[in-house]
Amino acid sequence: ELKVEQNPLFLSMQEGKNYTIYCNYSTTSDRLYWYRQDPGKSLESLFVLLSNGAVKQEGRLMASLDTKARLSTLHITAAVHDLSATYFCAVVHSGTYKYIFGTGTRLKVLA
Amino acid sequence: DVKVTQSSRYLVKRTGEKVFLECVQDMDHENMFWYRQDPGLGLRLIYFSYDVKMKEKGDIPEGYSVSREKKERFSLILESASTNQTSMYLCASSPDNYGYTFGSGTRLTVV
Repeated sequence: ELKVEQNPLFLSMQEGKNYTIYCNYSTTSDRLYWYRQDPGKSLESLFVLLSNGAVKQEGRLMASLDTKARLSTLHITAAVHDLSATYFCAVVHSGTYKYIFGTGTRLKVLA
Repeated sequence: DVKVTQSSRYLVKRTGEKVFLECVQDMDHENMFWYRQDPGLGLRLIYFSYDVKMKEKGDIPEGYSVSREKKERFSLILESASTNQTSMYLCASSPDNYGYTFGSGTRLTVV
């Protein structure tokens, strides 16, 4: 069974600080996605990571993928309040188009 | 940009009612999905479809059915709504091998 675990589940951080969210998954997959969800809203696509060693950056967020370790990270640089949201990773189950979502990390950036 | 439209943002239904949640996408995507999202449980896949008239059970199909008569429309049906089906319902679509685009979500309350 494919499991996707994120940690931490909750993260409260000061503006200007750096932090990393981790996404571990339990079986082979070569494709991983990161999404952002604001309270009461739907999910918005952030990054698509398609191969081992892939790194994507957008503003203060950088995502990477290590398929050998079955690990993706979402690194936040110099956090700002607008980054407060819940972040999900999702892994594609090999052989299907089913996505398995992580539990989500609720990030709160304190001014 | 791909648009995935869910017909209602908020719905309140009575126990035992038959409920239809509609989802329409405008980019000719083959794949469509229905998830529910509950606090502490993350996103759970209810049903998905790879093509017109095709449907596959997800992880929690009990109490639900789906219909996909046209490629752009994927409907989720609650045959007899119950209070434990109170949730946020998210529809998504994707072309082959690419990430999801989510609809804005329907928050359903069953009383």
